Amino acid sequence: QKEVEQNSGPLSVPEGAIASLNCTYSDRGSQSFFWYRQYSGKSPELIMSIYSNGDKEDGRFTAQLNKASQYVSLLIRDSQPSDSATYLCAVEAGKSTFGDGTTLTVKP
Amino acid sequence: SQTIHQWPATLVQPVGSPLSLECTVEGTSNPNLYWYRQAAGRGLQLLFYSVGIGQISSEVPQNLSASRPQDRQFILSSKKLLLSDSGFYLCAWSIAGGVGNTIYFGEGSWLTVV
Repeated sequence: QKEVEQNSGPLSVPEGAIASLNCTYSDRGSQSFFWYRQYSGKSPELIMSIYSNGDKEDGRFTAQLNKASQYVSLLIRDSQPSDSATYLCAVEAGKSTFGDGTTLTVKP
Repeated sequence: SQTIHQWPATLVQPVGSPLSLECTVEGTSNPNLYWYRQAAGRGLQLLFYSVGIGQISSEVPQNLSASRPQDRQFILSSKKLLLSDSGFYLCAWSIAGGVGNTIYFGEGSWLTVV
């Protein structure tokens, strides 16, 4: 079992829809959780971090954390074609471990 | 503000040739430094990390090595490249100590071994 698992996708949503990206992790001691966006051929850039159970909102992005169930998700509201990218989940338990990413395509 | 620079951006090297990728961080002191590799369509693989000058931890056995000659400089090297070394190499940094420290990436270096 991988330490951090994400559906590879591709996930396709129409413009204006909500995109839901999920991530599960194996280490119950994990304390910090991050979502990165990576455009094709570019380096990952941080979208959000979350440390406590519940929701954290930043503009069109909402991160959700459930430590008991060991999952973290990212919701993108009003999805835009510019959101088309690979989204990486990272989990820290002393050092960060990255999932393989979910590729999102937003169709106009 | 902190910035990270990595170079060269792209390079094509023959099998058996040496490699040197360099990374510098500005605007912070004593950062944790990392080298990751990302194969085409794959996730990030941590290769090396460093918590201080001369302190290097290797995550996977390979023909690559890393060095940290100065506080904010991190170098990835190889004496003889293999075809399997091709990929996207990312230098990254985070604040030293504690937990919950975000990792910030450089622009990346595309390496093609031919």
